[in-house]
Amino acid sequence: DIQMTQSPSSLSTSVGDRVTITCRASQSISTSLNWYQQKPGKAPKLLIYGASTLQSGVPSQFSGSGSGTDFTLTISSLQPEDFATYYCQQSYSTPPTFGQGTKLEIK
Amino acid sequence: QVQLVQSGAEVKKPGASVKVSCRASGYTFTNYAMHWARQAPGQGLEWMAWINTGSSNTYYLQNFQGRVTLTRDTSASTAYMELTSLRSEDTAVYYCARQVNYRGPLDIWGQGTMVTVSS
Repeated sequence: DIQMTQSPSSLSTSVGDRVTITCRASQSISTSLNWYQQKPGKAPKLLIYGASTLQSGVPSQFSGSGSGTDFTLTISSLQPEDFATYYCQQSYSTPPTFGQGTKLEIK
Repeated sequence: QVQLVQSGAEVKKPGASVKVSCRASGYTFTNYAMHWARQAPGQGLEWMAWINTGSSNTYYLQNFQGRVTLTRDTSASTAYMELTSLRSEDTAVYYCARQVNYRGPLDIWGQGTMVTVSS
């Protein structure tokens, strides 16, 4: 199985900050990397797929990049509604696997 | 609109079984695979299994082999996940999610079903 490692596991940040979350795969997954946002008590929401394509309706402050084994999710200017937990997920091979999550907290 | 609606919360005793349903609407059910994942309290997401809703072929994570069964009813546009021999560690929110295409993301998620296993 492909292991997905996210860092950091948590981050204390402020509104307006630029935030970068990284995700590393244990083997090459091309660009089959997806990012999800999850708020407490809610289902995950797809933000970015194919490493860099923004899902319809997702604000443009979110962006993704990377290929192979190293990927990043960037939030250019944190908004209050962006404080949540973010997960990467590889869909390159079965079983699909998730990173352990990155929780963004208000500083 | 496109949505997945799951069945309600369940409380089960250790050793029992639970069957969670996931009703799809707003799209052609058999055109998309359905995945199941779970999230224990305060923990991350754990993928469990998927079903090809057209052919009914399934794939189960080895951790759940022999305990989980996925089925679907195409006439009702509904997918089901049954988990047997429940133990306290199975206490979690269970999600169904639609996969867009081969190697694609999970773009639509159900609201989640809380399953509590307690004596």
